Amino acid sequence: AQTVTQSQPEMSVQEAETVTLSCTYDTSESDYYLFWYKQPPSRQMILVIRQEAYKQQNATENRFSVNFQKAAKSFSLKISDSQLGDAAMYFCAYRSPEGGKLIFGQGTELSVKP
Amino acid sequence: DSGVTQTPKHLITATGQRVTLRCSPRSGDLSVYWYQQSLDQGLQFLIQYYNGEERAKGNILERFSAQQFPDLHSELNLSSLELGDSALYFCASSVSPGLAHTQYFGPGTRLTVL
Repeated sequence: AQTVTQSQPEMSVQEAETVTLSCTYDTSESDYYLFWYKQPPSRQMILVIRQEAYKQQNATENRFSVNFQKAAKSFSLKISDSQLGDAAMYFCAYRSPEGGKLIFGQGTELSVKP
Repeated sequence: DSGVTQTPKHLITATGQRVTLRCSPRSGDLSVYWYQQSLDQGLQFLIQYYNGEERAKGNILERFSAQQFPDLHSELNLSSLELGDSALYFCASSVSPGLAHTQYFGPGTRLTVL
């Protein structure tokens, strides 16, 4: 069975600085998708970025980018120029070809200091 | 706003009762997913429907059931409620169960069982 692990329960970053959130996963499949979702205090789940496993190029969305290391089964999220609005819980998620369900990590609570 | 709607936003009820949570997917989306977010279990997949048919089941209790109607809205029924059922219940939708299709989440229904 696939598993997703986020080993950092909490992280803190200074406004305008860069922070990296870690995620590792375990799977025997070769084709899958990985996601980062953000959950602010409103509790809404917001898609931040996604990565297709067969694409070697790391995904980028404005200030958000990933470092996808398929062999190491690692999928970290880098937030550049951190803003106060980035403060939230961040979840890493795995999606396999079968079923389509998302398997989530435990989450990392990010705080941004002004 | 993801385009996925969920009602009600909050629900407070007593142990032993039965409640129904409702979800309307984004326009054009045929697949609906239900997830439960609780403090001890984290974010867990419950069940998935595609075009009215059940497609996948996760860690859904026998006391819980769901269905997707011809107009594609979905309902999650929770019966014989226990204190441990208190959680945030999310509905998500996607165009299809296909791997490439992103799941968009609704705002959630917060269930409190007293």
